[in-house]
Amino acid sequence: GAGVSQSPSNKVTEKGKDVELRCDPISGHTALYWYRQSLGQGLEFLIYFQGNSAPDKSGLPSDRFSAERTGGSVSTLTIQRTQQEDSAVYLCASSLGLGQGEAFFGQGTRLTVV
Amino acid sequence: RKEVEQDPGPFNVPEGATVAFNCTYSNSASQSFFWYRQDCRKEPKLLMSVYSSGNEDGRFTAQLNRASQYISLLIRDSKLSDSATYLCVVKPGSARQLTFGSGTQLTVLP
Repeated sequence: GAGVSQSPSNKVTEKGKDVELRCDPISGHTALYWYRQSLGQGLEFLIYFQGNSAPDKSGLPSDRFSAERTGGSVSTLTIQRTQQEDSAVYLCASSLGLGQGEAFFGQGTRLTVV
Repeated sequence: RKEVEQDPGPFNVPEGATVAFNCTYSNSASQSFFWYRQDCRKEPKLLMSVYSSGNEDGRFTAQLNRASQYISLLIRDSKLSDSATYLCVVKPGSARQLTFGSGTQLTVLP
């Protein structure tokens, strides 16, 4: 596709359930980022993938959060046993790599935990 | 102290006004700097990179002051369509992710 694609665009889940968020980066982009943005707040870094290197997981807020990137392309962010404070917009971005060039964002997944 | 700090605003200015935003960063080893724009309920998009010598793109001018560790964005002859949140973004030299400020909200009034 022409841009970064994220699905679902909206997700409402019950507290305690697991959720999976998907990101399909721009073809050829080796770097992939996950951020989350709470209402009225800035972007909080979660995790970064670069090619075949070990991901930088330093931003994951707890062990309930995990992410994987298969085949250097599609990425899935999984949140286990969701809590109300997990409610936010989860944004995925991709770039050519190594922090070079512009990072292009998807439209995000709006997660609401009830 | 936050790695990247911005005045959240809001800045409410009339059309045609000149407005400036500043952003400070804490990591003196930071190498790359950007301004992103985020419209309400939309994803951030790159507005412009910030170069050491300063750079201009139409009505927008970005400057970097390494000694004082701040970057600035100047918008001249502001338009209604400039209304958005402006995010200061820094790439620390030793890290690979982009670090975002919380954003400055601008509303241009008719």
